[in-house]
Amino acid sequence: DQQVKQNSPSLSVQEGRISILNCDYTNSMFDYFLWYKKYPAEGPTFLISISSIKDKNEDGRFTVFLNKSAKHLSLHIVPSQPGDSAVYFCAPSSTQGGSEKLVFGKGTKLTVNP
Amino acid sequence: NAGVTQTPKFRILKIGQSMTLQCAQDMNHNYMYWYRQDPGMGLKLIYYSVGAGITDKGEVPNGYNVSRSTTEDFPLRLELAAPSQTSVYFCASSYSGMDSPLHFGNGTRLTVT
Repeated sequence: DQQVKQNSPSLSVQEGRISILNCDYTNSMFDYFLWYKKYPAEGPTFLISISSIKDKNEDGRFTVFLNKSAKHLSLHIVPSQPGDSAVYFCAPSSTQGGSEKLVFGKGTKLTVNP
Repeated sequence: NAGVTQTPKFRILKIGQSMTLQCAQDMNHNYMYWYRQDPGMGLKLIYYSVGAGITDKGEVPNGYNVSRSTTEDFPLRLELAAPSQTSVYFCASSYSGMDSPLHFGNGTRLTVT
């Protein structure tokens, strides 16, 4: 039972263009959504987050959009740079009820070509 | 400020052997976590701790044990290694649990043969 789905295992874009990474979830209790970036042989690093009370959060080149009715979020990277090449994980959580269980998607490998 | 430090980076175990994966953080975070990542999969939570002396099971705890005697350290123990435990293990910490980002170590790659 996959609560979090990142349906594109990989994505390839040209430098300077937009990268759009998608994530779908099923659990309506999720109210805080994070994106992590992971380079090979390193641990994931936090990229950007959004609370369920918002529908958009922007941080420099990175913007996350949340559509609660569709249970869908997306990460936009504009403009994409070769250094953005990494695996991106969507990770929703529920901040209520004392659960400490962050659920990770399987990840999308982004390749930005020079 | 080293963040989250994991040792060792790599380890090969024979079936039935035991080992402890070490994790230490210097950010004074109360919350600490152990995840495993199998190839092509997301991270799955093994155990977590909300403070010294308090631990709880995650999604995949079987075959593992943890302890948390100090705020800084959160070791993961494998008692009888099995091939199914071949994975990359990540330790993480956070300031206030699920409403704050996790800080990850660089992982321990474990192979059980």
